[in-house]
Parts: sequence; structure tokens; C-alpha cells
Amino acid sequence: QVQLVESGGGVVQPGTSLRLSCEASGFTFRTYDMHWVRQAPGKGPEWVALILYDGSNTYYADSVKGRFTISRDDSKNTLYLQMSSLRPEDTALYYCARARIRGYTYSYAYWGQGALVTVSS
Amino acid sequence: EVVMTQSPATLSVSPGERATLSCRASQSVSNNVAWYQQKPGQAPTLLIHTASTRATGIPARFSASGSGTEFTLTISSLQSEDFAVYYCQQYNNWPPLTFGGGTKVEIK
Repeated sequence: QVQLVESGGGVVQPGTSLRLSCEASGFTFRTYDMHWVRQAPGKGPEWVALILYDGSNTYYADSVKGRFTISRDDSKNTLYLQMSSLRPEDTALYYCARARIRGYTYSYAYWGQGALVTVSS
Repeated sequence: EVVMTQSPATLSVSPGERATLSCRASQSVSNNVAWYQQKPGQAPTLLIHTASTRATGIPARFSASGSGTEFTLTISSLQSEDFAVYYCQQYNNWPPLTFGGGTKVEIK
């Protein structure tokens, strides 16, 4: 069965960096586009970033563009989110997510348990 | 950016009653809409994709319709486990992929 397990969350000060990881199993990781979606406390989900299955393209929400970098290591079945210049408004639970099927139909059938990132001085 | 607007923000319903949730897109998103259920402390669960197709394992009391800019999720007879927050999401025009603000279905 598909499993997504995030790690790397924590409490950090504004302006600092953090890297999240998402270890995938139960499917052929290298053939799927992968996403990060975050959810601030008491708010709805917010899409953060997308990397295509072959790493050829990445896409970002305007709120994180230039500060966050999504990447993948198919040899380790792992997705990453490098976050820099963190702001208090980046405080959220960060989910790794996979769409239901391959292709550009991004309804998320699979979610990890989330990694909590708190940005506070 | 496509803005997804959900209404109402909160819906108070008695168990066994019908619940109707709405989602409006700021521009046409064809039928590329998903609905999710989220319970406290859990990740969202996919209920509906392609505007009206139930995801694997989702009970038949959940149904959805719509295309273009207007979408509806209906829960025909609310069970205790259905009290949760529901989100719509469009995946037609991206980036960014966008979610609605949610409708909380609470016990009346």
C-alpha cells in the first residue's frame, strides 16, 4: 500500500532554513509527480510545490517562490522541501502528497501524516 | 489564480438528515474538481474526483455534481462519522492548485 512519511519538522527562528523529507513506499516513486501541501493552524490546505516525475520541471506557490526548493532522489524514494528565509506565516503542517493517478489530474488520494514547522522567535 | 469559494462556512445538521455543500470557482475549471473530508488531527481524505466520481472505498451516501464554476457535494443521510470539515479543490488551471476555505459540518 502507498505510504508517505514526512520528517524534518521543528521549531525555528524567522530567517532560518529547514529541510523536510518524505519517504515514499508502496508504489513506483520515479513515475509519479509529487507535491507538498501545507495547512496552517485552523486553515484550509494550501498547495506549496510540485515536481514532475522526471524532475524536469518544478512549480511553486507565489508565497514560497524564491525561498523554497522542491527536489527528489529517486534512488532513495524520497521527496524533499528545502525551506529558507522562513517567516512566521510559514508555520504549518506540511504534507507530502501524491495524486490518485499519473498525469496532470491532481486530486490527492495519498497524503503523509505531516511534518509540523513552527517559525517563531 | 482560480479562487474556490465554499458555502456555507458552517452547516448544522442532525444525524440522518441531508447535507448540501457548495463550491464556486472564480473561472471555469471544467470538471477538474475534487472534494475532501478532514477530521481533527488527520490528513484530508479524497472523497470525490472529476467533480462527481467517488474515490475508492467512499460510501454511496456521498455524491457530487457540477461543472464549470458551480459544484455541489451532497451527503444523503449524515452518519456520526461524517461530521468533519469538507474542502473542494480545483486542478484544472495551475499553478497554483487551489482549495476552498472549507465547510464545517457540525451536529445540530
